[in-house]
Amino acid sequence: DAGVIQSPRHEVTEMGQEVTLRCKPISGHNSLFWYRQTMMRGLELLIYFNNNVPIDDSGMPEDRFSAKMPNASFSTLKIQPSEPRDSAVYFCASTTSGGKTGYTFGSGTRLTVV
Amino acid sequence: QKEVEQNSGPLSVPEGAIASLNCTYSDRVSQSFFWYRQYSGKSPELIMSIYSNGDKEDGRFTAQLNKASQYVSLLIRDSQPSDSATYLCAVNPSGYALNFGKGTSLLVTP
Repeated sequence: DAGVIQSPRHEVTEMGQEVTLRCKPISGHNSLFWYRQTMMRGLELLIYFNNNVPIDDSGMPEDRFSAKMPNASFSTLKIQPSEPRDSAVYFCASTTSGGKTGYTFGSGTRLTVV
Repeated sequence: QKEVEQNSGPLSVPEGAIASLNCTYSDRVSQSFFWYRQYSGKSPELIMSIYSNGDKEDGRFTAQLNKASQYVSLLIRDSQPSDSATYLCAVNPSGYALNFGKGTSLLVTP
């Protein structure tokens, strides 16, 4: 079991640039979640997918954020244009049960926008 | 957004003592409850889940749930310095997504 795989681990970018974060869920997991973690706000749900379909994107901060899941083994979170306040750790998580038995997190991507 | 509240700490306990971590939640329809441990710079790791009122024990960890009081707790017996981490309470009110508290920082001193 390779776990949930996220890339890159660290990303430093300049304000205004496009940033793409990537996630490969655990094979067989049909639910995927994107969270953002900051000291001030803790873990915030951005969006989640079930069977590759976005179920709830109400946590996406604004139109600068978008997420896709073109197939069961890959998802992206894109920020365009990036702003310094987007600096955070972004986690992807997956599960088979829609969250009822908890889920497994990836290692996260630490994003710094300067 | 349904709330999950935790004391941020830090909670400091001596090695070998019992650490008690507490969490309250606002959504009465919540059915699933979890404790995650997060070491500094790492991702959250699931350590306990509980679904019905009462206690659930797993090794040195005991989760306690009281749905009438909307209260979840985690007890860590014989605390070790390696238990020093942030503990996140998570609640699944319905459907798919977990709501997380901001976490309690635990420091176990030798």
